[in-house]
Amino acid sequence: DVKVTQSSRYLVKRTGEKVFLECVQDMDHENMFWYRQDPGLGLRLIYFSYDVKMKEKGDIPEGYSVSREKKERFSLILESASTNQTSMYLCASSLIPGQGKYEQYFGPGTRLTVT
Amino acid sequence: AQSVTQLDSQVPVFEEAPVELRCNYSSSVSVYLFWYVQYPNQGLQLLLKYLSGSTLVKGINGFEAEFNKSQTSFHLRKPSVHISDTAEYFCAVSVYNAGNMLTFGGGTRLMVKP
Repeated sequence: DVKVTQSSRYLVKRTGEKVFLECVQDMDHENMFWYRQDPGLGLRLIYFSYDVKMKEKGDIPEGYSVSREKKERFSLILESASTNQTSMYLCASSLIPGQGKYEQYFGPGTRLTVT
Repeated sequence: AQSVTQLDSQVPVFEEAPVELRCNYSSSVSVYLFWYVQYPNQGLQLLLKYLSGSTLVKGINGFEAEFNKSQTSFHLRKPSVHISDTAEYFCAVSVYNAGNMLTFGGGTRLMVKP
């Protein structure tokens, strides 16, 4: 089974702090994704990566950056946390298209509170 | 661009009753369709998917969904729900050749009452 792990389940940070959220997948997937989940809004894509050192902006990249130095690891960085970044953050991974599986596999999520 | 609308934000239902969670999408090109479930304090788990072929798709835990191209819908159904089905359900679409990118609906909270 695919396993996607995230470094923390709960995190509390202060406004202005730099925050790192880590995600690791163990199935050699090329694609990795970061979403934030807010009530009534579903999941919104922040960034995704289709290869090491490659990244693309999603729908809501403002205030975030990402890093992918190794295939299995994808980090989300909040350069200066703000209270409106309080949310649930979900990481996912998938194969590239054409390999027969089109779904994404999700980690358990990190609930971030910025005070 | 594509979009997904889940018409009900909350659906209360009694145990052993049938349930339908509605999902409509818009897209100018062909899509793949997915339903995910999120149990409390967990990540998302795939329930079922439609890629091609038969429009009636069966998934895990007794759920099924029907793809209706003319109505651009992909409603999720279960003939008899259990307390353990209480969760949030998300409909999502992926456009052909879009790198497995998913667009999600806003979610439907299914609340099963004894």
